[in-house]
Amino acid sequence: EAQVTQNPRYLITVTGKKLTVTCSQNMNHEYMSWYRQDPGLGLRQIYYSMNVEVTDKGDVPEGYKVSRKEKRNFPLILESPSPNQTSLYFCASSLSRGGPRDTQYFGPGTRLTVL
Amino acid sequence: SQQGEEDPQALSIQEGENATMNCSYKTSINNLQWYRQNSGRGLVHLILIRSNEREKHSGRLRVTLDTSKKSSSLLITASRAADTASYFCATSSNTGKLIFGQGTTLQVKP
Repeated sequence: EAQVTQNPRYLITVTGKKLTVTCSQNMNHEYMSWYRQDPGLGLRQIYYSMNVEVTDKGDVPEGYKVSRKEKRNFPLILESPSPNQTSLYFCASSLSRGGPRDTQYFGPGTRLTVL
Repeated sequence: SQQGEEDPQALSIQEGENATMNCSYKTSINNLQWYRQNSGRGLVHLILIRSNEREKHSGRLRVTLDTSKKSSSLLITASRAADTASYFCATSSNTGKLIFGQGTTLQVKP
């Protein structure tokens, strides 16, 4: 089944404890992206990747890192999480090489709470 | 500020009525997409309209795009209770970014 998977789905952690949220897609998509969703603010793009080893900042990259060593995986890293990073996170992927011109397929979301 | 801004923020209608949501944006786009989200879940793609298209249909959905006004509308005809969800527009440009609006929450009462 074609899908985007994220792990973990739920995570409660403490300030300063490094964490990684994994994202994997099995559709051979070139474009992958991370978003955070907060009440009243909609979805905001954190980072995106147009291809392997190519990543770019979205609108809210501060406090996050990503890597794209393989086409299928796009992990989101929080080196030193803070309470303002408590949010619902979504990973998404699309076929397009040149940009997000095609349908975005979203993962199920990761609800992160930073105490 | 957000590229896509949706109007209204919330909409409540009776089953069988039509629902119209609007999206405005600020810069040039390659395409505009509409997504649906059921509470707390991942977004599901509904329809994509390219910048050189003016109208597109998919089942009970009709999307229009007016690039001169930098606006789009999503019409859901003959709404059902199952259409209750949040609806987001997203704009794509040559930068590689995909920018979402804040969404319209639709409630369809049975």
